[in-house]
Amino acid sequence: GNSVTQMEGPVTLSEEAFLTINCTYTATGYPSLFWYVQYPGEGLQLLLKATKADDKGSNKGFEATYRKETTSFHLEKGSVQVSDSAVYFCALSGTYNQGGKLIFGQGTELSVKP
Amino acid sequence: EAQVTQNPRYLITVTGKKLTVTCSQNMNHEYMSWYRQDPGLGLRQIYYSMNVEVTDKGDVPEGYKVSRKEKRNFPLILESPSPNQTSLYFCASSLRQNNSPLHFGNGTRLTVT
Repeated sequence: GNSVTQMEGPVTLSEEAFLTINCTYTATGYPSLFWYVQYPGEGLQLLLKATKADDKGSNKGFEATYRKETTSFHLEKGSVQVSDSAVYFCALSGTYNQGGKLIFGQGTELSVKP
Repeated sequence: EAQVTQNPRYLITVTGKKLTVTCSQNMNHEYMSWYRQDPGLGLRQIYYSMNVEVTDKGDVPEGYKVSRKEKRNFPLILESPSPNQTSLYFCASSLRQNNSPLHFGNGTRLTVT
């Protein structure tokens, strides 16, 4: 079945550092890929998505490119801020007959220090 | 405002005392789902519903029940809670399409003693 593997956290960076959070997946067919962010005490919010190979999703300075050849969807940001401190989840869509189901990675906690 | 509303936000209960966590969405979404979040395990799906009166088991359904009598509501029922159900629970909804993002509630932190 479909699955997602994320790099383990926590990740601690200084403000303005470059961020990469690795995400690889195993899937049959042509899933859509997502990054969600969870701020303390809140639910998950969609950060960005990509629906087909070579698509690049972007939002709030974050980017991720759907790489079918390496089955990856790594999250990047050129210059992180303290306000980016949160838990980040990579996810992919299930099979077609599972409707809106998403399969999540285990999450990567990011802490950005001033 | 489009949202998914869960209640309560926090709940402490004792083993065996039946409880219900409510979930409501105002976006006319067909698909609704419950997840639990545990450290190191990410989010795991408990149950989901494709539409009214259509529900199915997710990956970790044991000890839970759901119902979908109306499109907007999808309550999670724990008939006899146990300590291993202590967790953070999220309700989510979306359109019934593979590339539709899930919209999440703010979570319910449940402690079973």
